Formats: sequence, structure tokens, C-alpha cells
Amino acid sequence: EAQVTQNPRYLITVTGKKLTVTCSQNMNHEYMSWYRQDPGLGLRQIYYSMNVEVTDKGDVPEGYKVSRKEKRNFPLILESPSPNQTSLYFCASTPGGPSGANVLTFGAGSRLTVL
Amino acid sequence: GQNIDQPTEMTATEGAIVQINCTYQTSGFNGLFWYQQHAGEAPTFLSYNVLDGLEEKGRFSSFLSRSKGYSYLLLKELQMKDSASYLCAVMDSNYQLIWGAGTKLIIKP
Repeated sequence: EAQVTQNPRYLITVTGKKLTVTCSQNMNHEYMSWYRQDPGLGLRQIYYSMNVEVTDKGDVPEGYKVSRKEKRNFPLILESPSPNQTSLYFCASTPGGPSGANVLTFGAGSRLTVL
Repeated sequence: GQNIDQPTEMTATEGAIVQINCTYQTSGFNGLFWYQQHAGEAPTFLSYNVLDGLEEKGRFSSFLSRSKGYSYLLLKELQMKDSASYLCAVMDSNYQLIWGAGTKLIIKP
């Protein structure tokens, strides 16, 4: 089944404890992206990657890192999480850049709570 | 700045019709998307408009007026499973997606 898989789905952690949210897609998509979703706000892009070894900042990259060493994987790293990073995170992918022909396929989401 | 506006919440009755509006102000325009998101789940693609007019897809239709910076999603023959949030997103001149906060649609029997 074609899908985007995120782990963990739920995580409660404490301030300053490094964590990684993994994202993997099995569709050979070139474009991958991370979003966060907070109540009352639209999805906000954190980082995106057009292809292997190519990553770019989105609208809210502060406090996050990513890497794209393989086409299928795009992990999101929080080096020193803070409470304002408590959010619902989505990974998404598409064959090329987002367009009418290349709609985003989203993972199931990762709900992160930082105490 | 760039802005997408949608109503926060709407209520409708099972079997009825509902129209969810979206207005936008963006730096350029390369298409408008509608996604459906059930509570706690991932957004799923509903429709894409890049030219003015109405796109129909079963019970769902989406309309675009580029000159007015306006779109709507029309849902007919509402079913309880249509209870969800509906997200409007516009692709700007840099092909970046700008997202609205979403409209929570509540369907009552």
C-alpha cells in the first residue's frame, strides 16, 4: 500500500531532551515536507526537501533540523525541544513539487507534547 | 502578507447542502486546493482549481473566481461522515502552499 509512515504517533517528552520523528514513504516521491498544525492556525511548513541531500527552510524552521540522506526517509529532529513545540506534526510527500498534478500525501500525524 | 480566510465552524443537517467559503490574498496564484481532515487524522485531497469556474466531483464541487480571490466548496446530500474540517490552501507564485486554518463542519441528524 502506498503510504507515508510517521513514528512515533504520540510522544510526551520533557524540555531539552532531543527527539527524532521519523518519516518514510514507499512511493519513490522526490518531494517531502514537514508541517505543524496548531489550533486556530493553518498548516505551517517547517522544512521541505525537493530531493536527496536538498533541504530548505519553510515558514517556521526555528528549533528544528531535517536530513534527506535517502529518498524514502525525511526525519524531523528537535535538538532541544521546548513547550512551544507542542503540536501535531505531519509529514507529506508528492512525486514532484506540489501542483495540481502532484497533490500531497500525508502521514497519519505525530502528536508531540513537550513538558 | 499572505492570508487565507475561512469560517471557523459551520453546522448543517444531514441530507442538506452546505457551502464553505474561502477568500485569499497571496503573492501570485498557481492553484487552490481543498482538503478534508477528520479529527485526529491526516488531511486528504478533495479538489484542485486553477481556472475560474466550477469543478464537480460526485457530491462535492469546488468553485474559483481568481479576480475576486474567492473559492467555495459545495457539499451536497450531506452524510454524517462528512463531519470534518475542510482546509483551503493556495499555491503562491513560488509554488509554496499557504493554508487556511480550516472550517470545522458539524453535521446534525
